Formats: sequence, structure tokens, C-alpha cells
Amino acid sequence: DIQMTQSPSTLSASVGDRVTITCRASQSISSWLAWYQQKPGKAPKLLIYKASSLESGVPSRFSGSGSGTEFTLTISSLQPDDFATYYCQLYNSYLWTFGQGTKVEIK
Amino acid sequence: QVQLVESGGGVVQPGGSLRLSCAASGFTFSRYGMHWVRQAPGKGLEWVAYIRYDGDDKHYADSVKGRFTIARDNYKNTLFLQMSSLRAEDTAVFYCAKHGDYDYGFAFDMWGQGTMVTVSS
Repeated sequence: DIQMTQSPSTLSASVGDRVTITCRASQSISSWLAWYQQKPGKAPKLLIYKASSLESGVPSRFSGSGSGTEFTLTISSLQPDDFATYYCQLYNSYLWTFGQGTKVEIK
Repeated sequence: QVQLVESGGGVVQPGGSLRLSCAASGFTFSRYGMHWVRQAPGKGLEWVAYIRYDGDDKHYADSVKGRFTIARDNYKNTLFLQMSSLRAEDTAVFYCAKHGDYDYGFAFDMWGQGTMVTVSS
């Protein structure tokens, strides 16, 4: 099975900061990668699919990049509503694997 | 309104069984694959199972294979997860999620609110 490593596990940042979260796959997954946001007690919400496509209704300050084995989620200017946990997810041959999660905290 | 609503969670003893349901509305349920995803308390997300739009193809995580069965009723717009031989480590919030097609990179584009399963004596 393909392993996914997400970093960092925790990130402290201030409103207005540029934030970057990285996921690395143990082998190439082309662009089969998604990013989700989850707030406490709530279901995850899709932000980015196919590595760089922005889900409808998601603010443009969120962007995704990468292909193959290394992927990045960037929040260009962190807003109060963005403090949450973020997960990457890969797809390969009818198996879906989530990263360990990155909690974005207020600095 | 497009939504997924899970039900059936509760407290069950180790070795016991439980069936979860997920009622879909606001979209053509029979055209989409569906998933179950779980999240243990304070932990990350774990994909559990997938079923194709017609119910004829199913896939499971190794951690539940042989113990859990995913199924669907397209006439009732409902997804199920039959869980048996439950263990303490199965304790989690269980979410159903809608499968995005190729254009969505097979991501999960809609989620329910979740139902809690606690396995404890």
C-alpha cells in the first residue's frame, strides 16, 4: 500500500500569514490527491481535488499544487475561519489513504 | 437540500454487531459510489469502505475486511454498514461520504454529520 506523510502535525500562525502544508506519498500517485478542512465536532469539507482544483465555494486564498509524490496546500493569507485541522487524501487502485492531519492553531 | 444523514450508532459490547444507515437526499443517489470513513476520538480520518453506484463492486480497508459489509438500497436512497465482531479499536465517529467521479479525482465531495459507535463492555 502507498503511505502518506503529512507535515507539520501542528502549525502556529497569525491572521494574515501565508501557510503551507505538505504531503508526501511513498510512490507516485499522479494527481490523485485531495485536501479537506475539518473543524472540531464537524464533518470534513472538501477544499481541493485532483491536487490543484478548487472546490466550488471555497475561497481563492486556498490553493493546491504538486504531482507525483509531493503535494502542497497553501493558504495565502490566513483568516480567523481557517483555524482548523487539514487532511490530505490519496487515491490508488480503490484504496483511499488520509494523511495524519495538520492542526493550524492561533499563534 | 443536498444532504447525507447517518443513524444507527450507539454502545455495543466487544464481539457484538451494529448496522449503520446513511439516508441521502437532494441528488440522484443511484448514480454515485459511496464511502464510509471513521474517526476515532482525538485521531485522524480512516477510510473504511467503498461501494459502486450499482452495488456490484465493493472495497474495504484491511482493518475491517471480513468483519464489515457495505451495502446500499437505491430504491430507498440509503447506504448501510453492517459491522460485526466489533472491537474496542472500532470506537469512532462514522461518516458516510459521496464519491466524486473521475472529474473530481475520486475525492469525497459531500459528507454526513457522523454517528458515534462505542465498543465497550
